Amino acid sequence: QKEVEQNSGPLSVPEGAIASLNCTYSDRGSQSFFWYRQYSGKSPELIMFIYSNGDKEDGRFTAQLNKASQYVSLLIRDSQPSDSATYLCAVGAGGFKTIFGAGTRLFVKA
Amino acid sequence: DVKVTQSSRYLVKRTGEKVFLECVQDMDHENMFWYRQDPGLGLRLIYFSYDVKMKEKGDIPEGYSVSREKKERFSLILESASTNQTSMYLCASSFAGTANVGNTQYFGPGTRLTVL
Repeated sequence: QKEVEQNSGPLSVPEGAIASLNCTYSDRGSQSFFWYRQYSGKSPELIMFIYSNGDKEDGRFTAQLNKASQYVSLLIRDSQPSDSATYLCAVGAGGFKTIFGAGTRLFVKA
Repeated sequence: DVKVTQSSRYLVKRTGEKVFLECVQDMDHENMFWYRQDPGLGLRLIYFSYDVKMKEKGDIPEGYSVSREKKERFSLILESASTNQTSMYLCASSFAGTANVGNTQYFGPGTRLTVL
């Protein structure tokens, strides 16, 4: 069974700090990795996609991938209260399937 | 802008009823998916379709069926609703191709189904 593991949180950070969200996956053959954000009562929306080892930056967000360690992370710089949400890590599972983690709840304190 | 719509935001049904959940996307996406989302369990794939009239079982297909007669519409059917099918149901769509090519999924607003 292919798995994606995330700490459920909540992760609480003060406004302006860096929030670090982590995810591990079990399938060493996975090639694509996604971070989705889900506000309470809303549906998930894509933040970033990464497929190469290393860092990928988009504004205040940086995704980091380490395939050897089967680890992917999301850093949010200058965290804002509007970043408070659940962050879902997702991994391409081969074929058309994407496996989602259960999500990490982030709370940014003003 | 991609738009995925679902027929109902909230639905209450009784045990044993046949339930239809409908999903429509307007971006000409080939792939469509049905998930359920439960606290602590994340998104679990029920069924998906990569083309009209094509369907594939996901991880938890028991008790569900699907229909895709038109490219833009993907329906989830609960043949005989049970209380353990109370959940949030999310539909998603994506362009052709597999997940390993970085195929982003676009989600509908969800249907919160309660089975009494």
